[in-house]
Amino acid sequence: DQQVKQNSPSLSVQEGRISILNCDYTNSMFDYFLWYKKYPAEGPTFLISISSIKDKNEDGRFTVFLNKSAKHLSLHIVPSQPGDSAVYFCAASGSARQLTFGSGTQLTVLP
Amino acid sequence: ETGVTQTPRHLVMGMTNKKSLKCEQHLGHNAMYWYKQSAKKPLELMFVYSLEERVENNSVPSRFSPECPNSSHLFLHLHTLQPEDSALYLCASSLQGSETQYFGPGTRLLVL
Repeated sequence: DQQVKQNSPSLSVQEGRISILNCDYTNSMFDYFLWYKKYPAEGPTFLISISSIKDKNEDGRFTVFLNKSAKHLSLHIVPSQPGDSAVYFCAASGSARQLTFGSGTQLTVLP
Repeated sequence: ETGVTQTPRHLVMGMTNKKSLKCEQHLGHNAMYWYKQSAKKPLELMFVYSLEERVENNSVPSRFSPECPNSSHLFLHLHTLQPEDSALYLCASSLQGSETQYFGPGTRLLVL
């Protein structure tokens, strides 16, 4: 059973608008969450993270929100740019400090 | 070279072949990881090395054999693989105890 789920395999957004990518988790022992971005033929690259003691972390155009009671996190990208088109993976970490990944969401930003 | 590098980038092998995947990190990290990514599935953690000792082996078949000779290098030795082992194999590194891992570009493996 997947402990980290990204229920939307794909998302299309117009350039300049907001992209919202969602992630749900089931393990309440997870205490650190990360988002990775992956272009074709490249490995995942770290984007942004959040500790469970926070509910929001912002870095430029990227903001991650964490709702612990709902076991839900989301990544907001605003404004979206064509170069943001990639697969986005959500990952979670617990006390073992090992990452459990979701299956990814393909974001396409349309010019 | 900077970051995490992997060779080869692509590999085609028969079920009776023996091959090795290589990973090298230039980030001064002391933990290294092997992941498998099959199509439309999450990344699956295979092995973890911390301070050159294997600390995790997630029920991976013995036809996959990792080796970590030092903190900068990681190998995955492959022998008598099956077609279902065809996947993208990703190497990552981190500082021990840090959640943030840095990935290489991966080796796309096809087993015929």
